[in-house]
Amino acid sequence: EAEVAQSPRYKITEKSQAVAFWCDPISGHATLYWYRQILGQGPELLVQFQDESVVDDSQLPKDRFSAERLKGVDSTLKIQPAELGDSAMYLCASSLFGTGRTEAFFGQGTRLTVV
Amino acid sequence: KQEVTQIPAALSVPEGENLVLNCSFTDSAIYNLQWFRQDPGKGLTSLLLIQSSQREQTSGRLNASLDKSSGRSTLYIAASQPGDSATYLCAGSGNTPLVFGKGTRLSVIA
Repeated sequence: EAEVAQSPRYKITEKSQAVAFWCDPISGHATLYWYRQILGQGPELLVQFQDESVVDDSQLPKDRFSAERLKGVDSTLKIQPAELGDSAMYLCASSLFGTGRTEAFFGQGTRLTVV
Repeated sequence: KQEVTQIPAALSVPEGENLVLNCSFTDSAIYNLQWFRQDPGKGLTSLLLIQSSQREQTSGRLNASLDKSSGRSTLYIAASQPGDSATYLCAGSGNTPLVFGKGTRLSVIA
């Protein structure tokens, strides 16, 4: 069964350091999302890609976060420098088409702890 | 802006009980309503997807309904089992990607 792959599963980093997360969506899915989930809360959208283009990054803290999907397949989310408040689960999801018209599938997430 | 609310925040039931989880949303112009399960420290597993033209979907012991006019969805779990213990999240999508509620944390006691 096709899955959204994410790595690493867990990451511990010191504040002010750089950290990167990787996501490989389900093959053929044009839309890729990065969500952040703080403990006890629902996931919140950080960025949405349609193929290699950013569709929505209005909630991405652009002073320290960046995201790319260069070839329209896998994607990388980077934080530099990391802050204590960035500790959260980072979830990647993909869907066949965008604008929420098709089912979204999520990966297992990357649990980030900033110390 | 779509807002999603889930009630209750936590629920504890004895094994075998039937139960209902509630989800309400503010913008009725949604395309899809998805229910997810999340185990501690894990990602989200899609349980059911209800498209705007549908009223309900069923998968095994799970049944989800959608009433766009009232802005509500329910997830019904029949004959609950300890393995159903998890957090259940609902999310609606329309012209924007999925907007999530905070979830209902379910504990099924053997």
